[in-house]
Amino acid sequence: EAQVTQNPRYLITVTGKKLTVTCSQNMNHEYMSWYRQDPGLGLRQIYYSMNVEVTDKGDVPEGYKVSRKEKRNFPLILESPSPNQTSLYFCASSYAKGTGELFFGEGSRLTVL
Amino acid sequence: GNSVTQMEGPVTLSEEAFLTINCTYTATGYPSLFWYVQYPGEGLQLLLKATKADDKGSNKGFEATYRKETTSFHLEKGSVQVSDSAVYFCALSAIYNFNKFYFGSGTKLNVKP
Repeated sequence: EAQVTQNPRYLITVTGKKLTVTCSQNMNHEYMSWYRQDPGLGLRQIYYSMNVEVTDKGDVPEGYKVSRKEKRNFPLILESPSPNQTSLYFCASSYAKGTGELFFGEGSRLTVL
Repeated sequence: GNSVTQMEGPVTLSEEAFLTINCTYTATGYPSLFWYVQYPGEGLQLLLKATKADDKGSNKGFEATYRKETTSFHLEKGSVQVSDSAVYFCALSAIYNFNKFYFGSGTKLNVKP
């Protein structure tokens, strides 16, 4: 089954404790991206990747890091989480540039105390 | 800059009522436009899209027409069902960078039997 898998789905952590949210897709997509969803703000793009070893900032990259060492994986790293990073995070992937059909994971709800 | 504005929700309708969710955009040039739907507890799924002016996207009884003159992409359905209850997001991808997506804040639709 074609899918985008994120882990963990739910996480409560404390300020400053490094964490990684993993994302994996099994569709051989070149493009992957991370979004955060906040009430009243919709989805905002954090980082995206066009292919292995190619990443770029979205609109809200501060406080986040990413890496793309393998085509299927695109982890989101919070080196020193802060309470304003409490949010619902989505990973998405796509076959090709410009198609518009993003395939989303089920989301990871992160709470930073 | 690029942005998407959609009507505030929630929108509450009775089954078989007519649905309109307004969406307007600001963009440089002629972006591609999308509607995504998010069912409870799930990630977003592409509902429909339009890539140029006057195009009509349609799927599952939903329609939206790309109106360049009014910079709008309103979502419509003639007869909603309880199963249409979800959050609907209007989005655009920038013509100069198809991998940058801009989402509206989402409109929650509740359909009552």
